[in-house]
Amino acid sequence: GQNIDQPTEMTATEGAIVQINCTYQTSGFNGLFWYQQHAGEAPTFLSYNVLDGLEEKGRFSSFLSRSKGYSYLLLKELQMKDSASYLCAVRDWATNKLIFGTGTLLAVQP
Amino acid sequence: GAVVSQHPSRVICKSGTSVKIECRSLDFQATTMFWYRQFPKQSLMLMATSNEGSKATYEQGVEKDKFLINHASLTLSTLTVTSAHPEDSSFYICSARILSSYEQYFGPGTRLTVT
Repeated sequence: GQNIDQPTEMTATEGAIVQINCTYQTSGFNGLFWYQQHAGEAPTFLSYNVLDGLEEKGRFSSFLSRSKGYSYLLLKELQMKDSASYLCAVRDWATNKLIFGTGTLLAVQP
Repeated sequence: GAVVSQHPSRVICKSGTSVKIECRSLDFQATTMFWYRQFPKQSLMLMATSNEGSKATYEQGVEKDKFLINHASLTLSTLTVTSAHPEDSSFYICSARILSSYEQYFGPGTRLTVT
């Protein structure tokens, strides 16, 4: 079976750093994606990890540990516009389908 | 970059009618397109996968006779919600993938309201 877990909601302060965790259990793993989704809009691609380690892209970084079935998205220097849902998605090896987690709603406060 | 469009962005229809949603890849050829639905404050649920020129593969629990998918060309897939009911009201999102790429490119979504 496939199971992807994320915290439902998080709150952080403008200018701070926040880490959003994602744990997964899948029958076949072929990469993990992070997407940002503002309310009423489609998801936008943030990062992709297929090997263990940290991928950095500007204020956003994503980490993967395949042996632990664990990833996190790190957002630095938070801005109000970062308030959104952050979706963790795992790609299934056999079907290439993306399996999405429930998403983490991040609220950035002044 | 790769752009995917959806039309219409919003649609309101009456119960019992059918609605067609188009998904187009504007600057690339999409070998595979995916259709998702998303209820408020929930994540994306995959409905079906369509490959150009072949029948769509539906996820468990999705009625293929109710949600008709046609992938007639490498740049266009359509989802038709037949005999719509209020419970079909949702946000429908398509995505497209190039065979050689790991990434899926998402359309802007279609908000369907059935009255």
